[in-house]
Amino acid sequence: DVKVTQSSRYLVKRTGEKVFLECVQDMDHENMFWYRQDPGLGLRLIYFSYDVKMKEKGDIPEGYSVSREKKERFSLILESASTNQTSMYLCASRQGSGGYTFGSGTRLTVV
Amino acid sequence: QKEVEQDPGPLSVPEGAIVSLNCTYSNSAFQYFMWYRQYSRKGPELLMYTYSSGNKEDGRFTAQVDKSSKYISLFIRDSQPSDSATYLCAVFHSGNTPLVFGKGTRLSVIA
Repeated sequence: DVKVTQSSRYLVKRTGEKVFLECVQDMDHENMFWYRQDPGLGLRLIYFSYDVKMKEKGDIPEGYSVSREKKERFSLILESASTNQTSMYLCASRQGSGGYTFGSGTRLTVV
Repeated sequence: QKEVEQDPGPLSVPEGAIVSLNCTYSNSAFQYFMWYRQYSRKGPELLMYTYSSGNKEDGRFTAQVDKSSKYISLFIRDSQPSDSATYLCAVFHSGNTPLVFGKGTRLSVIA
């Protein structure tokens, strides 16, 4: 089975900190995605990547950046964390037009 | 109008009931339709994947797509307490374009 591993399940950071959320997949998938999930708002796409060193903005990229230096790893960076970035962050990978495989999520709290 | 609309529930049913979960979408270009199940504090997992109109059955689950009315459904027969979760519909156009998700319906199956 494809595995998508997110480095932390729970994270607490202070306002203004730079935060790195790491995601690694083990099935050589080309496409990787970062979503945040909030009650009442559902899943919202932050950034995605079709290949190494490629990135595309999703629906809510403001305050975030990403890095994909290797095919298996897709990092989400919060340049200066703010309280409105408290959320569940979900990484997913996918090959072609297949379904997503999600990681277990990182619940980030910014205080 | 949101691209994908889904009744958030919550929906509570007795064990053994037939459950019907539904979504509507606005863009007739969507060709691929999926259902994900998400348990509390976990990432979503792919349940059903269909292309174009028609039915697809997998055990107790049936996915139905009616492209003429832009309506997708998931039926769960003989529902079990282990089916208690949030169910998300998802659609996309083609190729590797990102999925667009409904907000999810929370289902509780009471023993």
